[in-house]
Amino acid sequence: DAMVIQNPRYQVTQFGKPVTLSCSQTLNHNVMYWYQQKSSQAPKLLFHYYDKDFNNEADTPDNFQSRRPNTSFCFLDIRSPGLGDAAMYLCATSSLGASNKETQYFGPGTRLLVL
Amino acid sequence: AQSVSQHNHHVILSEAASLELGCNYSYGGTVNLFWYVQYPGQHLQLLLKYFSGDPLVKGIKGFEAEFIKSKFSFNLRKPSVQWSDTAEYFCAVNRPGTYKYIFGTGTRLKVLA
Repeated sequence: DAMVIQNPRYQVTQFGKPVTLSCSQTLNHNVMYWYQQKSSQAPKLLFHYYDKDFNNEADTPDNFQSRRPNTSFCFLDIRSPGLGDAAMYLCATSSLGASNKETQYFGPGTRLLVL
Repeated sequence: AQSVSQHNHHVILSEAASLELGCNYSYGGTVNLFWYVQYPGQHLQLLLKYFSGDPLVKGIKGFEAEFIKSKFSFNLRKPSVQWSDTAEYFCAVNRPGTYKYIFGTGTRLKVLA
């Protein structure tokens, strides 16, 4: 059963052409994350939403934006993709609550190619 | 700042060999600990997790990990690897009640048939 779904799985865009990646979840988790992962590197957190509250990591470029219109969906917008933005983009969710036993679940990722 | 170290970047083993991948973290307080696996071309999947209690945790596919608090370590083990275990393995740490997960740089395991 799919829990964290990402579309598309592969995205090709042109240098400077805006692109949007989407993520949806069926877990009803209150936190959604976007990570960037380049080959043979650890996932790098770009930002996360805690419910509707957006939290940007300090080193995330302004070129990356996000929207979360409701609990289930979250979008990653790259306003002007550069060649260095080619990577795998991972969406993840977790349920931040009183249990302090949160587990993060990942989607399959969207591989972005910038031409 | 918190950090997670995975000392072995590349490991090559023959089938049936035993595996131990190291993971050390820098945070001194209570932590939640995780191992994720990423098979070639696939997404990160949870192998196992530790929150509290028995420091020896068992995960899927015959993997286990031991939390040693005094050593700030959470090493991953498997008694006998298979060719299908070829993948990249990531250790991750989370402070309970917080959103952030800190990942290690990963260990790429190649199992020779």
